[in-house]
This record gives sequence, structure tokens and C-alpha cells, in this order.
Amino acid sequence: GAGVSQSPSNKVTEKGKDVELRCDPISGHTALYWYRQSLGQGLEFLIYFQGNSAPDKSGLPSDRFSAERTGGSVSTLTIQRTQQEDSAVYLCASSLERSFFGTEAFFGQGTRLTVV
Amino acid sequence: QKEVEQDPGPLSVPEGAIVSLNCTYSNSAFQYFMWYRQYSRKGPELLMYTYSSGNKEDGRFTAQVDKSSKYISLFIRDSQPSDSATYLCAMDHTGGFKTIFGAGTRLFVKA
Repeated sequence: GAGVSQSPSNKVTEKGKDVELRCDPISGHTALYWYRQSLGQGLEFLIYFQGNSAPDKSGLPSDRFSAERTGGSVSTLTIQRTQQEDSAVYLCASSLERSFFGTEAFFGQGTRLTVV
Repeated sequence: QKEVEQDPGPLSVPEGAIVSLNCTYSNSAFQYFMWYRQYSRKGPELLMYTYSSGNKEDGRFTAQVDKSSKYISLFIRDSQPSDSATYLCAMDHTGGFKTIFGAGTRLFVKA
């Protein structure tokens, strides 16, 4: 497809289980971002990948969260031992340039994660 | 205190009304200001962006930045039901990736 693709669209998991969220960026986009969107909280930056550089993981909320990007394309966000507070929409975005500004970042539709 | 404050609404207006959406911020180093629109169950899409102070107009949309007051606005003229969405303000000071988003304002335009 032409846009950013995320899977699954919805995920319900039991507390304590591990989950993997997948993002397929737009072909040729070197920058990839993960954000988390909680009700009434806006978008929270999680992690950023740029080409082959080391990712900026400064936004990851705990060591239960990790992400990787294989071959400079597909990215997987993993949450271990999920907690109820992890319930949110996880959004992935990609862009041609490093910066959001002036260069449009395209978002996927998000993965709605519910931890029960 | 959050770096960016935005009233979550909801804001309900009749079709054809002028809509004013606003954000305040605390970091005086912010230079780049953006507005994103997010329809239900979709990812945000960039609507407009501006640099530093001033106005920018694009069709029915006008973005204003007042750095002295740390206040930004998005105006929608002749609002349409299709404008019903959540509008998120966003800003950063480096042109970099750690853009800070507001909580978003839910807008409903009634036909």
C-alpha cells in the first residue's frame, strides 16, 4: 500500500502477557517514529529511528518497552509483561526527512491496545 | 504543568460558523508550530505548519502564532460537517522529531 500500515488494528491482551506491534512505513522513508496516544493525553513520543543510526529511545516509559527496525524498514514495538496502564493507541509515523517540520510525517491508523 | 495545554472540548458548532481552536505553551524556545487533524479511528494528518510568529492562511484555515503570549490558534471559516475531527496542536524548538503534542480538541460541526 501507499501509506503507513500498522498491525494489528486492535489487540486485547491479558495483564502480564507480552505483545508485539508492527509498523510498515512508506517505502523510502528513512525516519520512523512511535507515539502513544492515551485518552485526553495527546501524543507521547516513544522512540525514533533514522536510517542506520542508533535509535533514540528516550521516550520509552520503562524497560518493558523495546523496539527494533529491521533492514531500515519494518519496525516492531514490543511490550513485555503488559500492565493496564499500557492500554492506549500506539501510532507509528514515517517521513522522508529527520524533522517533522516542513516535511510531512505520515501516520498509520494505529494499534488500539487493551490490557485486561 | 504540561508543556502544551489544549482544551479537549468537545466543541460543537453549527455548519457555517467560524471555529477558533487554541493552545498555550510554556517553553519559549518553541519555534515550529503545527496543527494536525485526526478523524476517528485514523492517524493524525498534518494540516498546517508555521515558523515563529505570524499568520498563515490556507483556504478556509488560518493559523496564528503569538510568541509573546505563548499562544497559537487555528481558525476555520465556513465550517463544514466534514471538519468534525480532533485537532491537535504540536510544536518543537529544533525542527526535530520530539514534537510535543497537545491533548487535542474534539470538534463537532452540526449540519
